[in-house]
Amino acid sequence: GQNIDQPTEMTATEGAIVQINCTYQTSGFNGLFWYQQHAGEAPTFLSYNVLDGLEEKGRFSSFLSRSKGYSYLLLKELQMKDSASYLCAVPTDSWGKFQFGAGTQVVVTP
Amino acid sequence: DGGITQSPKYLFRKEGQNVTLSCEQNLNHDAMYWYRQDPGQGLRLIYYSQIVNDFQKGDIAEGYSVSREKKESFPLTVTSAQKNPTAFYLCASSTRGYEQYFGPGTRLTVT
Repeated sequence: GQNIDQPTEMTATEGAIVQINCTYQTSGFNGLFWYQQHAGEAPTFLSYNVLDGLEEKGRFSSFLSRSKGYSYLLLKELQMKDSASYLCAVPTDSWGKFQFGAGTQVVVTP
Repeated sequence: DGGITQSPKYLFRKEGQNVTLSCEQNLNHDAMYWYRQDPGQGLRLIYYSQIVNDFQKGDIAEGYSVSREKKESFPLTVTSAQKNPTAFYLCASSTRGYEQYFGPGTRLTVT
């Protein structure tokens, strides 16, 4: 299966910026998805990059380089409610079957 | 309101019993998925279905079974053959090639 690597945990202070990296083996299927998961809850969709480059959505931005098998999620102006696990997911077929990374736990401190 | 529902939120069973988790969606999505999540870990795919009356095994299908008799419904049965069934179970659905939307999950405890 797909090998997806994310850091296990990152800590940052309120108001700061954190960048979560995700590396993967290119599969021939385009795109990469980012999800946010609060403890005990279901993942919620954050962003989808299908082309190379940066996609900005409010305080969150996501970058993709398909040739390098690399993506990052940038969280700006961190708030306490941003404390959560962030999962990257890569399609492994044309229908949208995903392989998920193990997730990066972001801890925001006051 | 469109969405995915899973019931119940918490489920307790004795070892050796089969248990069925429900998943219903009214998003008109063709594809549906079942994942398992263990503490501190990512999502592992159990089964998925791209159309009615068809489904495929995911990475950890042993000890589980599914059916897809209606587009809206994709129930998962955890059988007594599953060695470590206690986990958080998540159902998701999607339109082909697009983001998956998740239900609230069912936390199953088997003792």
